Amino acid sequence: QSVLTQPPSVSGAPGQRVTISCTGSGSNIGAGYDVHWYQQLPGAAPQLLIHVNSNRPSGVPDRFSGSKSGTSASLAITGLQAEDEADYYCQSYDSSLSGYVFGTGTKVTVL
Amino acid sequence: EVQLVESGGGLAQPGRSLRLSCAASGFTFDDHAMHWVRQAPGKGLEWVSGISWNSGSLGYADSVRGRFSISRDNAKNSLYLQMNSLRAEDTALYYCAKDIRAGYYDSGGYNYWGQGTLVTVSS
Repeated sequence: QSVLTQPPSVSGAPGQRVTISCTGSGSNIGAGYDVHWYQQLPGAAPQLLIHVNSNRPSGVPDRFSGSKSGTSASLAITGLQAEDEADYYCQSYDSSLSGYVFGTGTKVTVL
Repeated sequence: EVQLVESGGGLAQPGRSLRLSCAASGFTFDDHAMHWVRQAPGKGLEWVSGISWNSGSLGYADSVRGRFSISRDNAKNSLYLQMNSLRAEDTALYYCAKDIRAGYYDSGGYNYWGQGTLVTVSS
């Protein structure tokens, strides 16, 4: 069971905005460790979507944005598109575990 | 073009060992930390182990600590994962991933991933 909790699923119509939360604790996000977000399309390897809390790698559309506050982080997708249907994972470092952890994962469905 | 190619997966009996390899190309290997991440069938991502650019810092998930060992050979642009005392719950697709940064403790995120090698532990 992961120490980073995400909602199992979120959904939205094309063009809408959806957000995915990543709730941690004082030993990971709350301790100031960076949060990264990954997108995993069906049958594919994960891809880095947001790194160091809010930075988009080159090639990632600006429809994707990340933020962090306190012991939580969020990923927002604006202008939802059919190709955004995927699983999304947050990741951070946990000092009590002395290792990295992924969130529980969120499946995004475009209605 | 950055490429990460994992190998060494397969079927192993409980208690036996396997050694995974990851051949890297298209970037300066010893400028980056490297990690292993696994995904059990139908499940989420689980970080397994990571190692800094010079092997000076490394770490393991609680689930594999004491059984798995990570190493790298910068001269061969290769990352390894020695997996001992395998258990059924180690069955997963194992990914090799390149960190944006060089250090183990200050990961910048994994900007390249291999396609994975499947490990199945069963009698």
